[in-house]
Amino acid sequence: AQSVTQLGSHVSVSEGALVLLRCNYSSSVPPYLFWYVQYPNQGLQLLLKYTSAATLVKGINGFEAEFKKSETSFHLTKPSAHMSDAAEYFCAVRANSGGSNYKLTFGKGTLLTVNP
Amino acid sequence: EPEVTQTPSHQVTQMGQEVILRCVPISNHLYFYWYRQILGQKVEFLVSFYNNEISEKSEIFDDQFSVERPDGSNFTLKIRSTKLEDSAMYFCASRLRQGGRELFFGEGSRLTVL
Repeated sequence: AQSVTQLGSHVSVSEGALVLLRCNYSSSVPPYLFWYVQYPNQGLQLLLKYTSAATLVKGINGFEAEFKKSETSFHLTKPSAHMSDAAEYFCAVRANSGGSNYKLTFGKGTLLTVNP
Repeated sequence: EPEVTQTPSHQVTQMGQEVILRCVPISNHLYFYWYRQILGQKVEFLVSFYNNEISEKSEIFDDQFSVERPDGSNFTLKIRSTKLEDSAMYFCASRLRQGGRELFFGEGSRLTVL
């Protein structure tokens, strides 16, 4: 079974500041990990994914995340926040165990606000 | 860019009524999913669908729920007799093929049950 914990339901940063959104997972098998973003009135958009290749994953819009197995973490970072980054961010895990099913387990989400 | 589209964007219904939420997945995708998010809670898996049959469903997906792909393009979620606790945002998603690792989500349909 898999689970995801996102620490902090709401993170507020100033424009230009570092963005750090935390995600910890548990999985009984090697995981695939994802970050999705949801802008207001839009669907879930994939930001980046970890699929057992490089542990530092670069995504769209300048975001990146590092898979740390020892810490069971997959925190999302961006060096400099932009106003357009304001959105809700979801971390998700899927078991890397083959098969045709694709059940993602999501965290509760973190709402990012960016202050001018 | 191809996208998953969902209708309606928002539906308000009375408890006990039937609701059908519609999704048009990306045209060459083969795997289809419904997820839901109750306000303030996690996005939860409901059901996956492949080759015209359910491949996996969660414990949430009880006899009140059904899915079908009636015409080869639409993918629908039906709730036969809605309950207050069915109020949520329902997301449709699709995936290209086995091993394809990205789910493409629609914008969601917000269901409000009064």
